[in-house]
Amino acid sequence: KQEVTQIPAALSVPEGENLVLNCSFTDSAIYNLQWFRQDPGKGLTSLLLIQSSQREQTSGRLNASLDKSSGRSTLYIAASQPGDSATYLCAGQTSGSRLTFGEGTQLTVNP
Amino acid sequence: NAGVMQNPRHLVRRRGQEARLRCSPMKGHSHVYWYRQLPEEGLKFMVYLQKENIIDESGMPKERFSAEFPKEGPSILRIQQVVRGDSAAYFCASSPGGTLYGYTFGSGTRLTVV
Repeated sequence: KQEVTQIPAALSVPEGENLVLNCSFTDSAIYNLQWFRQDPGKGLTSLLLIQSSQREQTSGRLNASLDKSSGRSTLYIAASQPGDSATYLCAGQTSGSRLTFGEGTQLTVNP
Repeated sequence: NAGVMQNPRHLVRRRGQEARLRCSPMKGHSHVYWYRQLPEEGLKFMVYLQKENIIDESGMPKERFSAEFPKEGPSILRIQQVVRGDSAAYFCASSPGGTLYGYTFGSGTRLTVV
């Protein structure tokens, strides 16, 4: 059974700082890993999707990496802004097509 | 492309009533997934459907909950005889199938049982 863990649970940083969010998973037979953003009371916005054959994906100030052998993914946010404040979720897709989510990292970027 | 559409956005039901949540997948997506997010908890898988078929319902409570995705129309998550513990955000996601494209989520339905 796939289990996904995210560390830290909460993070508060000053504006402009570069930061890393961590995600670990127990089942290396993962097809892909997806990072989402969730604002309070809102739905999930997909940020990046990394296939199991890929090592990283980039979109603007975001970079996500995937290391299947160690069961880890990281989301790197460069030059953080107050608008980046949200909960960040990682989710792995394994057999059967279901996504297994971590508990999320609640990020606050202070002006 | 309107994305994944869920309605209603907010739903209030008294204990014992029925709740019906609707989800229209993105155009071209034939795979629908329902997830539940309890207050202060993570997202938990409930059920995976394709048109007219339930593929995996292993995350759905055995009683009072049912889901369908008919040939025509939206997917429906139905909760009978709601209890306070059913209060949660229910999210629907869709995909074209396979592993290449990821999932697209709707904005969710927030169910409050009073």
